[in-house]
Amino acid sequence: ELKVEQNPLFLSMQEGKNYTIYCNYSTTSDRLYWYRQDPGKSLESLFVLLSNGAVKQEGRLMASLDTKARLSTLHITAAVHDLSATYFCAVADWNHGNQFYFGTGTSLTVIP
Amino acid sequence: DVKVTQSSRYLVKRTGEKVFLECVQDMDHENMFWYRQDPGLGLRLIYFSYDVKMKEKGDIPEGYSVSREKKERFSLILESASTNQTSMYLCASSLHPSQSQAFFGQGTRLTVV
Repeated sequence: ELKVEQNPLFLSMQEGKNYTIYCNYSTTSDRLYWYRQDPGKSLESLFVLLSNGAVKQEGRLMASLDTKARLSTLHITAAVHDLSATYFCAVADWNHGNQFYFGTGTSLTVIP
Repeated sequence: DVKVTQSSRYLVKRTGEKVFLECVQDMDHENMFWYRQDPGLGLRLIYFSYDVKMKEKGDIPEGYSVSREKKERFSLILESASTNQTSMYLCASSLHPSQSQAFFGQGTRLTVV
């Protein structure tokens, strides 16, 4: 069974600080997705990482993928309140059918 | 832009009613998915479909059925709604997951009373 684990599950951080969310997965997939979900809303795509060593950045968020370690990170730089949301990673693998496998999500709260 | 549209944003139904949740996508995606999301439980896959008239059970199919008569439309059916089916329901579509991300609809918050 393909497993995706995120940590931490909850993250409270002060504005201006840096932090990293981790996503570990159990398959050899080289494709990983990050999503953001605001309270009461649906999931919005943030990043698509397509190969080992891929790095994508948008604003204060940077995502990277290490397929050998089966690890993706979402790094937050100089957090601001608007980044408060739940972040999910997801993996897909040809060997595991037509499904996405989602992590449990990291609930991020940025405190002024 | 890919658009995935769910028929209702909020829905209130009575116990025992048959409930239909509709989802339409406009990008000719083969794959469509229904998830439910509850606090502390993340996203749980109910059913998915990889082609017209094809369906596969996800992790929690009990109490649900689905219909995919046309490629763009994927319906989730609660045969006899119960209070434990009160939840946020999310529809998504994609090419093969190993080729593309999932695109989500806006979600339907269903309350069963």
